Amino acid sequence: AQRVTQPEKLLSVFKGAPVELKCNYSYSGSPELFWYVQYSRQRLQLLLRHISRESIKGFTADLNKGETSFHLKKPFAQEEDSAMYYCALSGSGTGGFKTIFGAGTRLFVKA
Amino acid sequence: NAGVTQTPKFQVLKTGQSMTLQCAQDMNHEYMSWYRQDPGMGLRLIHYSVGAGITDQGEVPNGYNVSRSTTEDFPLRLLSAAPSQTSVYFCASSRQINEKLFFGSGTQLSVL
Repeated sequence: AQRVTQPEKLLSVFKGAPVELKCNYSYSGSPELFWYVQYSRQRLQLLLRHISRESIKGFTADLNKGETSFHLKKPFAQEEDSAMYYCALSGSGTGGFKTIFGAGTRLFVKA
Repeated sequence: NAGVTQTPKFQVLKTGQSMTLQCAQDMNHEYMSWYRQDPGMGLRLIHYSVGAGITDQGEVPNGYNVSRSTTEDFPLRLLSAAPSQTSVYFCASSRQINEKLFFGSGTQLSVL
């Protein structure tokens, strides 16, 4: 069965500190993995996807198939990074092809 | 370009009432889906559609119905509202399955 696990509900770091938001997944095939972000009073939006292998707003994420992880990283956090972050997986399974999300991690970046 | 439009933005229902949440997209996307967002549980998939006339159940489909008679519209029906359906509902669409999702602004629903 498909599953996405984000073990941290809340992550608080100081401005300028490195940040890592963890995401682990369970999937039997080759998944498409994404990070979505929801800033205060804004719509959910795509931050990055693993297939594009690009850096957005200084964030990167590497797919580790051995550890079934897709952690989101940024070397120097900024206050404007404070938001809710969701890891998502698209794949086929029982009942068809769908995109499911983890429980989310709220990131607070303190001045 | 409107993108994904959801109505209403807010709704209060009494237990047992029915209602329909509307979702429309103007991007000619094949894939549309409904999620509910609850604290500590993230986004959970209710129903989805891979094209007009095709719908399927997600993770939490009970108590909800959908239909997809056109590419543009994907309404979500609550048949008999229950307090457990108090949540924020998001509609999303993508050009094809497993591509980037575009989200609506959400509907905050309270069932008393």
